[in-house]
Amino acid sequence: DTGVSQNPRHKITKRGQNVTFRCDPISEHNRLYWYRQTLGQGPEFLTYFQNEAQLEKSRLLSDRFSAERPKGSFSTLEIQRTEQGDSAMYLCASSFGALEQYFGPGTRLTVT
Amino acid sequence: QKEVEQNSGPLSVPEGAIASLNCTYSDRGSQSFFWYRQYSGKSPELIMSIYSNGDKEDGRFTAQLNKASQYVSLLIRDSQPSDSATYLCAVKRDNAGNMLTFGGGTRLMVKP
Repeated sequence: DTGVSQNPRHKITKRGQNVTFRCDPISEHNRLYWYRQTLGQGPEFLTYFQNEAQLEKSRLLSDRFSAERPKGSFSTLEIQRTEQGDSAMYLCASSFGALEQYFGPGTRLTVT
Repeated sequence: QKEVEQNSGPLSVPEGAIASLNCTYSDRGSQSFFWYRQYSGKSPELIMSIYSNGDKEDGRFTAQLNKASQYVSLLIRDSQPSDSATYLCAVKRDNAGNMLTFGGGTRLMVKP
């Protein structure tokens, strides 16, 4: 059983550019979550999907952030018009129902 | 007051000793509790989950939960240098979108 995968692992972008990250959950996991982690802090919840439905998105940090999971499998997180404050580790996790969440390796974003 | 509080450390213990990591939470509606280990530059790795009051043991790890005191702890017996990492406490309300709320983590250093 392969784990959660995320691509790219690292992304360096210039302020104002758009970026998109991909997450592939553990197969058969129907729930997928996005978190953000900044240095010295615990992960911060952003949004989650059950199958293709986005059930919670009020925690997305601004309207520049959006996420999709069009076929209930992989998910993408897009940040438009990036700002330096968006520099962080973006983590994806998946679970089967309300069971334990398992994290992928993360995408480290640096905005210059 | 933060929702989930942990002493940031570092907590330094000698090899072979018991490491005791503590976490308090403010939301009495929290029903599920998790400990994740995070090595520097890596993503969180689930090591324990606990749902009811009392102790839960898994190998060298014991999680303890006291809902009345809103307190959860993790004991690591026979600590090894490879246990040196940041330990993150996370809590979840089962009717709150499956969102995990994390503490800031405790850095553990096990000295040979």
